[in-house]
Amino acid sequence: DTEVTQTPKHLVMGMTNKKSLKCEQHMGHRAMYWYKQKAKKPPELMFVYSYEKLSINESVPSRFSPECPNSSLLNLHLHALQPEDSALYLCASSQPGRSLANTGELFFGEGSRLTVL
Amino acid sequence: SQKIEQNSEALNIQEGKTATLTCNYTNYSPAYLQWYRQDPGRGPVFLLLIRENEKEKRKERLKVTFDTTLKQSLFHITASQPADSATYLCALAPDVGGFKTIFGAGTRLFVKA
Repeated sequence: DTEVTQTPKHLVMGMTNKKSLKCEQHMGHRAMYWYKQKAKKPPELMFVYSYEKLSINESVPSRFSPECPNSSLLNLHLHALQPEDSALYLCASSQPGRSLANTGELFFGEGSRLTVL
Repeated sequence: SQKIEQNSEALNIQEGKTATLTCNYTNYSPAYLQWYRQDPGRGPVFLLLIRENEKEKRKERLKVTFDTTLKQSLFHITASQPADSATYLCALAPDVGGFKTIFGAGTRLFVKA
């Protein structure tokens, strides 16, 4: 079982809806990520939070709005999405730091399957 | 632009044989390279990491090689089992502790009993 929990597992929404994806980890990791993955494509980095501050935004459209309320939680707020935004949204966490002991391993959740009608 | 290439065709092998998957990259000088396993509809799971100054890394039935001159990594699963059937993703990161890990599209492996 993964130690990164994502809810909901499945979400269907209309283009005018507002919804949120949630992610939680209790491993004490201080970096948390959102990735988007379409079928047979690689996960694509969207956002990174490091120590609860937004560190990376990969030019993601503003209809996706991330939030990191505390070191364990990461949200992705969705508004006015398009059908092409339908995908598997993956949350991940890692322990930042440049020590040789750091494997840089990303711990992924099971994902939230989003369908936009 | 940075590019990671993995064989998009599925690899079919017989149980007990060694599976070899390839990862090639261009326009990138990664500090380290990772391999992940992904089952359908699930998140990727970390398997192995190899650093730029390492040639080979082993873990149980898994072996990874890293050739920074060829810009290539090979991932081997020895004594393969049907339970090894999954998609295997190659990932590159600019440095340890950095955040911009980028992934290849993965190679689907089928191991037949």
